[in-house]
Order: sequence, then structure tokens, then C-alpha cells
Amino acid sequence: NAGVTQTPKFQVLKTGQSMTLQCAQDMNHEYMSWYRQDPGMGLRLIHYSVGAGITDQGEVPNGYNVSRSTTEDFPLRLLSAAPSQTSVYFCASSYVGQGKNEQFFGPGTRLTVL
Amino acid sequence: DAKTTQPTSMDCAEGRAANLPCNHSTISGNEYVYWYRQIHSQGPQYIIHGLKNNETNEMASLIITEDRKSSTLILPHATLRDTAVYYCIVLPFSSGSARQLTFGSGTQLTVLP
Repeated sequence: NAGVTQTPKFQVLKTGQSMTLQCAQDMNHEYMSWYRQDPGMGLRLIHYSVGAGITDQGEVPNGYNVSRSTTEDFPLRLLSAAPSQTSVYFCASSYVGQGKNEQFFGPGTRLTVL
Repeated sequence: DAKTTQPTSMDCAEGRAANLPCNHSTISGNEYVYWYRQIHSQGPQYIIHGLKNNETNEMASLIITEDRKSSTLILPHATLRDTAVYYCIVLPFSSGSARQLTFGSGTQLTVLP
């Protein structure tokens, strides 16, 4: 199993540009989520999904869109990049079920918005 | 969800046990204690979780006090590769839906040679 994969690893954008961060998992996990981590801070939840076709907002959803058309993929779209979105973005996945809350994280995408 | 309190940083000598404390005095009866760690520049990694009994796996042991208001993560023989930020997180028992992780500041553990 590849686990949770994220692309790209690094990205530099100009203010106002849009882009999509990719996340895929091959563990057949129902639950997937996106976090951002600013320097010296803990992770904050952006959006999450409990299954294909179902998404919901987390703590910091503004400026981001998500969709979940398949179990495997959960892309994160930045609509109009702003310098405040400079951060490291982590995708995670897990099973949905009683007691099963071990989440698997990807390696991260480091985004800089100029 | 219950809040947690952890020391900002700790040092440990290589080969010795690392004991990382966590206070969760407002924990509810249906909430588990989870531990994750984040090695520099990597995604967080699950370590262990427990409800009220002590737990052990290949990575660590988790000791939860009888009143469940605090816990200690034990890395029995710390290595340099265990240098990381360790997060203690309290989550309700999942009942058909996964819970979102709330990461605080964690404890920076530095293992010294």
C-alpha cells in the first residue's frame, strides 16, 4: 500500500492564482480530511469527508473548496490564493467506525503564496 | 471535547525512557486519549490510544490514571529518531463517524545523544 499520497510536494503561487492540491489513499478509508499547519503551530482542520459525495467544513474553510467523487481521492482547491494561505497542507484518512480513529497522514504540500 | 495540557518541551537521553505527561482533567466518560507525534516536516503519526486501561504496542505504552484526569506516554528506549512534537488528544468514542483531530501545541521531545 502506498498509504496517503499528496501532490505536489512544493508549490509557489502568485496572489489571485488558483490551484488544486491532490490527495489520494489506497486503504479504502471512508474518512478523509485536509489540515493546514502554519509555522510553529498545530494543525487546523479545513474540510473533511465521511464518504464519496459527502463533505463538510472544518475550523478554517474560507478560501478552500473540496469535493469527493471517489473513495480514493479528496482534492483541495484554492480559489484565489492569498499570502495568508501560505502554509503546509496535510491530508489524512481513516476508517469510520466505533473505536477506529487511527488517522493516516500524507507527507504534506508546502505552499507559498507571493 | 476535553482540553489537554502538555509541557512545552522535554529532553531525554538516548536509550533512556521518555515519559511525556498530559493533563486532561475535564475528560468525559466516553472520551479516549490519543497520542500522535510529528517528526520535523513530516505528517503526524498515530502512536497509541486508550480509554482507562493501560495500553502497550510496539511503539509505546500509555498509562492512564485511575481518575482518567491525566496520562503518560512512555517511550521505553528513546532513540534520536524519536525527536518530535508529541500531541495528546482527547476524542469521544466513535459511534459511526470519525472525529476531527484538534491539535494543540504538543510537547517538543528532544532525544540527546
